Amino acid sequence: GQQVMQIPQYQHVQEGEDFTTYCNSSTTLSNIQWYKQRPGGHPVFLIQLVKSGEVKKQKRLTFQFGEAKKNSSLHITATQTTDVGTYFCAGQPGDMRFGAGTRLTVKP
Amino acid sequence: NAGVTQTPKFQVLKTGQSMTLQCAQDMNHNSMYWYRQDPGMGLRLIYYSASEGTTDKGEVPNGYNVSRLNKREFSLRLESAAPSQTSVYFCASSVIREGTDTQYFGPGTRLTVL
Repeated sequence: GQQVMQIPQYQHVQEGEDFTTYCNSSTTLSNIQWYKQRPGGHPVFLIQLVKSGEVKKQKRLTFQFGEAKKNSSLHITATQTTDVGTYFCAGQPGDMRFGAGTRLTVKP
Repeated sequence: NAGVTQTPKFQVLKTGQSMTLQCAQDMNHNSMYWYRQDPGMGLRLIYYSASEGTTDKGEVPNGYNVSRLNKREFSLRLESAAPSQTSVYFCASSVIREGTDTQYFGPGTRLTVL
């Protein structure tokens, strides 16, 4: 069945440094979504990518969907302490399959 | 709007006990979901309901049953709890808006089975 792998599992950065998390699927995806979960909280939807090669930006966050629609990335420029949390990718078709997440910690 | 609400927030059970986790949404969404979240494993889908009156198995349905009581409510039942069911359980609902299927999650139920 469809598997979604996410790396790295953990990332610790100094405030102001950049951060990237990568998501890879064993099968071609119809779409990919990204969620953020703050410590002790629940996942919150960030964005959905549908088209091959699609790039979307939200302020300091840049999301990419690979040409083959099997991989995706989330890049945060100049991290802030408010970026702390776990970032999940989730892919379809069918049941939404979540990656294990990348936990980001930011040192002030 | 309260969004997605879940009760209880915390629960401790003994092996073999049963319980029902409650979930309700006030956003008029058709689809609702139950996930479990374990350390290092992300979210795994237990059951989902695409509309009132329908339910389907997800990735890890064994040991669970669900009921879509009406459009608002979707409950998850553990008939005979096992320590392997210790987890954080999230309910979610979703709507397709402008081609995007956005899931809205509840605050979660932290369940420990001794």
